[in-house]
Amino acid sequence: DAKTTQPNSMESNEEEPVHLPCNHSTISGTDYIHWYRQLPSQGPEYVIHGLTSNVNNRMASLAIAEDRKSSTLILHRATLRDAAVYYCILRDRDDKIIFGKGTRLHILP
Amino acid sequence: SQTIHQWPATLVQPVGSPLSLECTVEGTSNPNLYWYRQAAGRGLQLLFYSIGIDQISSEVPQNLSASRPQDRQFILSSKKLLLSDSGFYLCAWTRRPSYNEQFFGPGTRLTVL
Repeated sequence: DAKTTQPNSMESNEEEPVHLPCNHSTISGTDYIHWYRQLPSQGPEYVIHGLTSNVNNRMASLAIAEDRKSSTLILHRATLRDAAVYYCILRDRDDKIIFGKGTRLHILP
Repeated sequence: SQTIHQWPATLVQPVGSPLSLECTVEGTSNPNLYWYRQAAGRGLQLLFYSIGIDQISSEVPQNLSASRPQDRQFILSSKKLLLSDSGFYLCAWTRRPSYNEQFFGPGTRLTVL
Protein backbone atom coordinates (compact mmCIF):
# COMPACT_ATOMS: atom_id res chain seq x y z
CA ASP A 1 0.00 0.00 0.00
CA ALA A 2 1.07 3.57 -0.71
CA LYS A 3 2.36 5.27 2.42
CA THR A 4 1.41 8.79 1.39
CA THR A 5 -1.81 10.82 1.22
CA GLN A 6 -2.45 13.50 -1.39
CA PRO A 7 -5.51 15.50 -2.46
CA ASN A 8 -7.22 14.01 -5.49
CA SER A 9 -7.07 17.22 -7.51
CA MET A 10 -6.03 20.85 -7.39
CA GLU A 11 -6.39 23.90 -9.60
CA SER A 12 -4.08 26.81 -10.13
CA ASN A 13 -3.88 29.80 -12.39
CA GLU A 14 -1.18 30.03 -14.99
CA GLU A 15 1.95 31.92 -13.96
CA GLU A 16 1.12 31.61 -10.28
CA PRO A 17 2.93 29.42 -7.71
CA VAL A 18 1.47 26.01 -6.89
CA HIS A 19 1.87 24.20 -3.58
CA LEU A 20 1.11 20.48 -3.74
CA PRO A 21 0.84 18.88 -0.28
CA CYS A 22 1.66 15.32 0.75
CA ASN A 23 1.18 13.63 4.12
CA HIS A 24 3.41 10.73 5.15
CA SER A 25 2.84 10.36 8.88
CA THR A 26 4.37 6.86 9.04
CA ILE A 27 7.65 7.84 7.39
CA SER A 28 10.71 6.07 8.74
CA GLY A 29 14.09 7.62 9.33
CA THR A 30 15.56 6.11 6.16
CA ASP A 31 12.70 6.93 3.76
CA TYR A 32 13.43 9.42 1.01
CA ILE A 33 10.57 11.61 -0.23
CA HIS A 34 10.22 11.53 -4.01
CA TRP A 35 7.95 13.40 -6.38
CA TYR A 36 7.10 12.33 -9.92
CA ARG A 37 4.64 13.67 -12.44
CA GLN A 38 2.83 11.98 -15.27
CA LEU A 39 1.58 13.72 -18.37
CA PRO A 40 -1.23 12.08 -20.38
CA SER A 41 -0.17 8.93 -22.24
CA GLN A 42 3.38 9.10 -20.91
CA GLY A 43 5.35 7.36 -18.20
CA PRO A 44 6.04 9.21 -14.95
CA GLU A 45 8.87 11.68 -14.90
CA TYR A 46 11.13 12.33 -11.91
CA VAL A 47 10.70 15.80 -10.41
CA ILE A 48 12.64 16.02 -7.17
CA HIS A 49 13.55 14.14 -4.01
CA GLY A 50 14.89 14.81 -0.54
CA LEU A 51 15.54 13.33 2.87
CA THR A 52 15.46 16.06 5.51
CA SER A 53 16.48 19.40 4.07
CA ASN A 54 14.55 21.47 1.56
CA VAL A 55 15.68 20.90 -2.03
CA ASN A 56 15.62 23.02 -5.16
CA ASN A 57 16.18 22.11 -8.79
CA ARG A 58 15.29 23.57 -12.15
CA MET A 59 11.83 22.04 -12.10
CA ALA A 60 10.60 22.65 -8.57
CA SER A 61 11.31 23.02 -4.87
CA LEU A 62 10.61 20.51 -2.14
CA ALA A 63 9.78 21.74 1.34
CA ILE A 64 9.99 19.06 4.03
CA ALA A 65 8.40 19.56 7.44
CA GLU A 66 10.71 19.46 10.41
CA ASP A 67 9.11 16.23 11.69
CA ARG A 68 9.17 14.83 8.11
CA LYS A 69 5.53 13.79 8.35
CA SER A 70 4.56 16.03 5.47
CA SER A 71 6.09 17.73 2.48
CA THR A 72 5.12 20.22 -0.20
CA LEU A 73 6.11 20.35 -3.83
CA ILE A 74 6.36 23.92 -5.03
CA LEU A 75 6.09 24.92 -8.66
CA HIS A 76 7.18 28.52 -8.64
CA ARG A 77 5.39 29.68 -11.76
CA ALA A 78 2.92 27.21 -13.22
CA THR A 79 2.51 26.88 -16.97
CA LEU A 80 -0.05 24.93 -18.95
CA ARG A 81 2.60 22.27 -19.51
CA ASP A 82 2.67 21.60 -15.77
CA ALA A 83 -0.83 20.11 -15.91
CA ALA A 84 -0.27 16.49 -14.88
CA VAL A 85 -0.79 13.95 -12.12
CA TYR A 86 1.77 14.49 -9.37
CA TYR A 87 2.82 11.54 -7.24
CA CYS A 88 4.48 11.74 -3.83
CA ILE A 89 6.13 8.48 -2.76
CA LEU A 90 8.50 7.24 -0.09
CA ARG A 91 11.61 5.33 -1.12
CA ASP A 92 13.84 3.29 1.15
CA ARG A 93 17.20 1.71 0.40
CA ASP A 94 15.86 -1.58 -0.92
CA ASP A 95 12.15 -1.01 -0.88
CA LYS A 96 9.87 -1.73 -3.75
CA ILE A 97 8.33 1.48 -5.01
CA ILE A 98 4.56 1.82 -4.79
CA PHE A 99 2.71 4.76 -6.28
CA GLY A 100 -0.52 6.11 -4.79
CA LYS A 101 -3.23 7.84 -6.80
CA GLY A 102 -1.51 11.21 -6.87
CA THR A 103 -2.90 14.71 -7.31
CA ARG A 104 -4.29 15.78 -10.67
CA LEU A 105 -3.17 19.37 -11.19
CA HIS A 106 -5.27 21.56 -13.47
CA ILE A 107 -3.78 24.82 -14.74
CA LEU A 108 -6.23 27.54 -15.69
CA PRO A 109 -5.14 29.93 -18.46
CA SER B 1 23.73 8.37 -20.70
CA GLN B 2 21.12 5.83 -19.74
CA THR B 3 18.08 4.96 -21.80
CA ILE B 4 15.21 2.57 -21.36
CA HIS B 5 13.35 0.96 -24.24
CA GLN B 6 10.01 -0.79 -24.36
CA TRP B 7 8.29 -2.52 -27.22
CA PRO B 8 5.89 -2.71 -28.73
CA ALA B 9 4.42 0.74 -28.19
CA THR B 10 0.87 -0.46 -28.76
CA LEU B 11 -0.67 -3.91 -28.95
CA VAL B 12 -4.14 -5.26 -29.58
CA GLN B 13 -4.62 -8.89 -28.62
CA PRO B 14 -7.61 -11.25 -28.40
CA VAL B 15 -8.66 -12.79 -25.09
CA GLY B 16 -6.81 -16.03 -24.48
CA SER B 17 -3.77 -15.14 -26.57
CA PRO B 18 -0.22 -15.03 -25.17
CA LEU B 19 1.69 -11.88 -24.34
CA SER B 20 5.33 -10.87 -24.33
CA LEU B 21 6.45 -7.31 -23.55
CA GLU B 22 10.12 -6.50 -23.54
CA CYS B 23 12.10 -3.85 -21.71
CA THR B 24 15.80 -3.12 -21.99
CA VAL B 25 18.02 -0.60 -20.27
CA GLU B 26 21.22 0.81 -21.73
CA GLY B 27 24.07 2.71 -20.18
CA THR B 28 23.99 1.22 -16.70
CA SER B 29 24.63 -2.09 -15.02
CA ASN B 30 22.95 -4.06 -12.26
CA PRO B 31 19.80 -1.92 -12.15
CA ASN B 32 16.67 -2.63 -10.15
CA LEU B 33 13.89 -3.23 -12.68
CA TYR B 34 10.13 -2.81 -12.32
CA TRP B 35 6.91 -3.55 -14.21
CA TYR B 36 3.85 -1.39 -13.52
CA ARG B 37 0.36 -1.42 -14.98
CA GLN B 38 -1.97 1.53 -15.19
CA ALA B 39 -5.62 0.90 -16.02
CA ALA B 40 -7.53 3.73 -17.68
CA GLY B 41 -7.92 6.65 -15.27
CA ARG B 42 -6.18 4.83 -12.44
CA GLY B 43 -2.88 5.02 -10.59
CA LEU B 44 0.19 2.84 -11.14
CA GLN B 45 0.02 -0.72 -9.87
CA LEU B 46 3.34 -2.40 -9.16
CA LEU B 47 3.37 -5.86 -10.78
CA PHE B 48 6.93 -7.15 -10.47
CA TYR B 49 10.31 -5.91 -9.35
CA SER B 50 13.74 -7.43 -9.73
CA ILE B 51 17.03 -6.78 -7.97
CA GLY B 52 19.04 -9.12 -10.18
CA ILE B 53 19.01 -11.87 -12.79
CA ASP B 54 16.42 -14.50 -11.84
CA GLN B 55 15.55 -12.51 -8.71
CA ILE B 56 11.97 -11.38 -9.24
CA SER B 57 9.25 -10.55 -6.74
CA SER B 58 5.58 -10.57 -7.63
CA GLU B 59 3.32 -8.02 -6.05
CA VAL B 60 -0.06 -9.00 -7.42
CA PRO B 61 -1.21 -12.62 -7.95
CA GLN B 62 -2.52 -12.85 -11.50
CA ASN B 63 -1.99 -14.53 -14.83
CA LEU B 64 1.15 -12.51 -15.60
CA SER B 65 4.76 -13.53 -15.09
CA ALA B 66 8.10 -11.79 -15.44
CA SER B 67 11.59 -12.93 -16.31
CA ARG B 68 15.00 -11.32 -16.32
CA PRO B 69 17.22 -13.41 -18.58
CA GLN B 70 19.96 -10.77 -18.72
CA ASP B 71 21.07 -8.01 -16.39
CA ARG B 72 19.38 -5.23 -18.35
CA GLN B 73 16.45 -7.10 -19.89
CA PHE B 74 13.07 -7.52 -18.27
CA ILE B 75 10.21 -9.40 -19.90
CA LEU B 76 6.53 -9.47 -18.97
CA SER B 77 4.54 -12.46 -20.18
CA SER B 78 1.19 -14.14 -20.08
CA LYS B 79 0.05 -17.49 -21.43
CA LYS B 80 -3.60 -16.40 -21.76
CA LEU B 81 -4.71 -12.79 -21.70
CA LEU B 82 -7.85 -11.66 -19.92
CA LEU B 83 -9.97 -8.60 -20.71
CA SER B 84 -8.83 -7.13 -17.40
CA ASP B 85 -5.21 -7.20 -18.58
CA SER B 86 -5.85 -4.17 -20.78
CA GLY B 87 -3.89 -1.13 -19.70
CA PHE B 88 -0.72 0.91 -19.99
CA TYR B 89 2.33 -1.15 -19.05
CA LEU B 90 5.38 0.69 -17.85
CA CYS B 91 8.89 -0.58 -17.27
CA ALA B 92 11.19 1.35 -14.96
CA TRP B 93 14.66 1.14 -13.48
CA THR B 94 16.66 2.61 -10.62
CA ARG B 95 20.30 2.65 -9.72
CA ARG B 96 21.06 0.90 -6.48
CA PRO B 97 20.26 1.66 -3.75
CA SER B 98 16.66 2.10 -4.79
CA TYR B 99 16.16 5.42 -3.06
CA ASN B 100 17.66 7.00 -6.17
CA GLU B 101 15.37 8.47 -8.80
CA GLN B 102 13.35 6.08 -10.93
CA PHE B 103 13.38 6.25 -14.72
CA PHE B 104 10.40 5.09 -16.75
CA GLY B 105 10.14 3.76 -20.26
CA PRO B 106 7.68 5.07 -22.86
CA GLY B 107 5.16 2.35 -22.04
CA THR B 108 3.11 -0.20 -23.98
CA ARG B 109 -0.60 0.34 -24.40
CA LEU B 110 -2.28 -3.07 -24.43
CA THR B 111 -5.88 -3.58 -25.49
CA VAL B 112 -7.38 -7.02 -25.00
CA LEU B 113 -10.53 -7.62 -27.04
